Amino acid sequence: GAVVSQHPSWVICKSGTSVKIECRSLDFQATTMFWYRQFPKQSLMLMATSNEGSKATYEQGVEKDKFLINHASLTLSTLTVTSAHPEDSSFYICSARGGTTPRGTDTQYFGPGTRLTVL
Amino acid sequence: GDSVTQMEGPVTLSEEAFLTINCTYTATGYPSLFWYVQYPGEGLQLLLKATKADDKGSNKGFEATYRKETTSFHLEKGSVQVSDSAVYFCALRRSGGSNYKLTFGKGTLLTVNP
Repeated sequence: GAVVSQHPSWVICKSGTSVKIECRSLDFQATTMFWYRQFPKQSLMLMATSNEGSKATYEQGVEKDKFLINHASLTLSTLTVTSAHPEDSSFYICSARGGTTPRGTDTQYFGPGTRLTVL
Repeated sequence: GDSVTQMEGPVTLSEEAFLTINCTYTATGYPSLFWYVQYPGEGLQLLLKATKADDKGSNKGFEATYRKETTSFHLEKGSVQVSDSAVYFCALRRSGGSNYKLTFGKGTLLTVNP
């Protein structure tokens, strides 16, 4: 139980286009979802926290207009990278918590990540 | 601010060797401490956790003890297997309120050879 999926697993896009990444909790209701960014050989950096039905809370230094987050339901959150540029190329990971999961409501369950490459 | 420092990798061991991955942290108050593991091609999975000083988290033969005096949470396993090859992340979560934000270390790649 407590599976989180991401789609797509990898995406290549042209500079200036927008890309949407989906994060789904498959067997539990996610009260909160988190979006991370991971650079090669670096730690996961939290970008934003979103609660279902409310606006996301962004970490310092993360552009809200650049990285649009929508947590429309208890099982789906989306991250849209708008007007993507090569420096946005990275590995994006989501996680979810909440509901009745094997390890309790405060454990985060992670998706497998999405590799974004902007040409 | 909060931070987690873990030993640089990669770490390469032979099967049945003893494993230690060091992790130290900086945080105010009494954070909860975690080890996550990321197998190739998969998402991070919680390996073990400890929520207060002197607690020992354990799972799948791995152990880590919350040492407040040394602000450490080192991961150990007595006999590693090839299947333990993965990236290991140490993380903390500040205590109190509804803050579920995790702060991660950079990760340590472990490779276990047969």
